[in-house]
Amino acid sequence: EPEVTQTPSHQVTQMGQEVILRCVPISNHLYFYWYRQILGQKVEFLVSFYNNEISEKSEIFDDQFSVERPDGSNFTLKIRSTKLEDSAMYFCASRAKQETQYFGPGTRLLVL
Amino acid sequence: QQQVKQSPQSLIVQKGGISIINCAYENTAFDYFPWYQQFPGKGPALLIAIRPDVSEKKEGRFTISFNKSAKQFSLHIMDSQPGDSATYFCAAADNAGNMLTFGGGTRLMVKP
Repeated sequence: EPEVTQTPSHQVTQMGQEVILRCVPISNHLYFYWYRQILGQKVEFLVSFYNNEISEKSEIFDDQFSVERPDGSNFTLKIRSTKLEDSAMYFCASRAKQETQYFGPGTRLLVL
Repeated sequence: QQQVKQSPQSLIVQKGGISIINCAYENTAFDYFPWYQQFPGKGPALLIAIRPDVSEKKEGRFTISFNKSAKQFSLHIMDSQPGDSATYFCAAADNAGNMLTFGGGTRLMVKP
């Protein structure tokens, strides 16, 4: 069964450094998402992406964040200058035309 | 208005019992209500979903009950099994099927 994959599974970085989280959505999907989950808290929406542009973003998704689909398969989330509070599990999700969003296994980001 | 409130935060059920998790929402534009199951270290996985044109949906041991006038919906897990032990999230999305708004999660433990 096709699935969303994410790399790396874990990332440790120093405050102020840039990180890029990578996702490979399911191949025929058209809509792509990033969510995050701070330890012990609920899953929070960050951004959605369709037709090579951001379709919706939350207030969390400030100028430090950017997304890109650099080729036909990858979908990336870049955090330009990481802060301690960016430490969280980041989930990529994708969907086809129907509503069901399929989530990847996540990247655990730790900012020191 | 975008919030989805979920209760209880944690639940302990004996094997064979019924697990019931409740959610309430405020935004009347929401028209898609999925439940996700999350095991430790994994991404959320869709369990079952409902639209407000029906009051109940059943898939195996999992049933969603939906009360549109009260803006509430609930997940019932019949004959709960130890393998059901996980965190369950309700969520909601509007007609655009775009961003999911998640509830706070319920950690379910099913005792053998």
